[in-house]
Amino acid sequence: QKEVEQNSGPLSVPEGAIASLNCTYSDRVSQSFFWYRQYSGKSPELIMSIYSNGDKEDGRFTAQLNKASQYVSLLIRDSQPSDSATYLCAVPNTGNQFYFGTGTSLTVIP
Amino acid sequence: DGGITQSPKYLFRKEGQNVTLSCEQNLNHDAMYWYRQDPGQGLRLIYYSQIVNDFQKGDIAEGYSVSREKKESFPLTVTSAQKNPTAFYLCASRTGFYNEQFFGPGTRLTVL
Repeated sequence: QKEVEQNSGPLSVPEGAIASLNCTYSDRVSQSFFWYRQYSGKSPELIMSIYSNGDKEDGRFTAQLNKASQYVSLLIRDSQPSDSATYLCAVPNTGNQFYFGTGTSLTVIP
Repeated sequence: DGGITQSPKYLFRKEGQNVTLSCEQNLNHDAMYWYRQDPGQGLRLIYYSQIVNDFQKGDIAEGYSVSREKKESFPLTVTSAQKNPTAFYLCASRTGFYNEQFFGPGTRLTVL
């Protein structure tokens, strides 16, 4: 089992819809969780950090964490064509190495 | 402006050559990382350093070397022993308290 798993997609949603991205992780002691957005040809950009169970909202983005089920999700409300990118889930281990998922490719259709 | 810089943006290497990729940060972060990304794939850890003069191998360290003589700098050398070095190389640094990792703009290396 990989440390971090994501659905690779591609995921397509119409403009204005909610995009839902999911990530599961294997290390039960993980305490921090991150979502990155990566546009084609560019480096990853940190868009959300979450540390405790529940929801964390930042603008159109909501991160949801459920440590008991070992999953973290990212919801993008009112999706825009500019949200089209690959989204990476990252979870650090106790040794401060980061495990990244392979990413979910999102396309928002105008 | 605070941030992470990588140079060059594009690099071409002939077979048998060693090349060095630069990574500098002015965020005062202790930890720094090097990743490799191949098309359509995730990030793979090459080396990381948590303090000056100390670094550890990641999952794919063979054919690479690093140094950490200054807190701000973490250069990566791709040696001739790395058989398939064509990839996108990403440097990152990490905050101490919130554990957030930030990336530089990357260097795209191509072997001719």
